[in-house]
Amino acid sequence: DQQVKQNSPSLSVQEGRISILNCDYTNSMFDYFLWYKKYPAEGPTFLISISSIKDKNEDGRFTVFLNKSAKHLSLHIVPSQPGDSAVYFCAARAKGAGSYQLTFGKGTKLSVIP
Amino acid sequence: DAGVIQSPRHEVTEMGQEVTLRCKPISGHNSLFWYRQTMMRGLELLIYFNNNVPIDDSGMPEDRFSAKMPNASFSTLKIQPSEPRDSAVYFCASSLTALQETQYFGPGTRLLVL
Repeated sequence: DQQVKQNSPSLSVQEGRISILNCDYTNSMFDYFLWYKKYPAEGPTFLISISSIKDKNEDGRFTVFLNKSAKHLSLHIVPSQPGDSAVYFCAARAKGAGSYQLTFGKGTKLSVIP
Repeated sequence: DAGVIQSPRHEVTEMGQEVTLRCKPISGHNSLFWYRQTMMRGLELLIYFNNNVPIDDSGMPEDRFSAKMPNASFSTLKIQPSEPRDSAVYFCASSLTALQETQYFGPGTRLLVL
């Protein structure tokens, strides 16, 4: 049973436009959410995170939005650049026992077309 | 800092052989995680160490898998005997503390068992 779902395996966006990557979760105990970016032949790299007490966190071109009632978060990249082409993983952490554990989605491959 | 270091980067072996994957976490990080990535299951946590002590190995698929952390700067993941279904990318990650949300990943070891 997947607790973190990224329903779009891939996404193509024109350079300069907005990229929106979506993530849904089912576990109401999740209290912290992260996005990782992964290039081929490299490990995932931390990108941005958000605590459940917030609904938005912004870092440069990257913004993460959290809708707790819908159990949904999204990553916005504006403007998109060719270097943003990578696989993006959504991850979540549950509070309480075992709080170290991150649960990952299966990833969305973003292609930014020049 | 060199980041998390993993070796080898690629491993091809025959079914039944022993495989040992190695990881050097970021200096000063007290928590270390081993993950496996497959197309079917995405990124899965196999085992987690805190201060060199295994805390939770519930993600280890079966007795053929074992992990050790003899000191703060080195960990191994061993598969004996290896099987074709073990073919995957194995990532090591470290974090400053067990409760720190951000984990830093190594480049991974791509394992192919023939």
